[in-house]
Amino acid sequence: IAGITQAPTSQILAAGRRMTLRCTQDMRHNAMYWYRQDLGLGLRLIHYSNTAGTTGKGEVPDGYSVSRANTDDFPLTLASAVPSQTSVYFCASSKGADNSPLHFGNGTRLTVT
Amino acid sequence: GESVGLHLPTLSVQEGDNSIINCAYSNSASDYFIWYKQESGKGPQFIIDIRSNMDKRQGQRVTVLLNKTVKHLSLQIAATQPGDSAVYFCAENTGGFKTIFGAGTRLFVKA
Repeated sequence: IAGITQAPTSQILAAGRRMTLRCTQDMRHNAMYWYRQDLGLGLRLIHYSNTAGTTGKGEVPDGYSVSRANTDDFPLTLASAVPSQTSVYFCASSKGADNSPLHFGNGTRLTVT
Repeated sequence: GESVGLHLPTLSVQEGDNSIINCAYSNSASDYFIWYKQESGKGPQFIIDIRSNMDKRQGQRVTVLLNKTVKHLSLQIAATQPGDSAVYFCAENTGGFKTIFGAGTRLFVKA
């Protein structure tokens, strides 16, 4: 079934360590996104990419970086994890920007200790 | 500032009844609205959307109503089933790549 694949499903990470969350889509969507979901705060946009080779900052980009080397992959990197980055991370994609719903993966649950 | 909120954080309905989930938005420039369903352990799933030039749109057992005068959005689920139990999010987009999500409403369906 076409969609978004995220890995790992869950991870416990020591503070200060580097971590890359992987995301791959097979729908040939132009735009991709990373959200974090925290109880009481809903879904907040970290970074996005409107097409391969370009990225942009969302609402909460600090401490995270992304790259978009090709259409299908959009990894999210935490250079030096901190406990406040404990969250569930969702990758999503859409055909374009305007009037296009997001298609989400099933998330990565990250705990930073 | 921009915000999307929900009137009811939880909603409990009897199986077979209709459900109505409400949402308020504050950005009058928003022109695209979406409802998502999120089941436990999964990512949000697209249900239905509506553009600002419409006030009603129907899908399979779901209807979205948009009242731009009072900046209100609602999702109606007909003949609610146990499988409808989930958290429902409304979201708005003003164009571009930044979709703003509400905090969510948890729907419980009693058998």
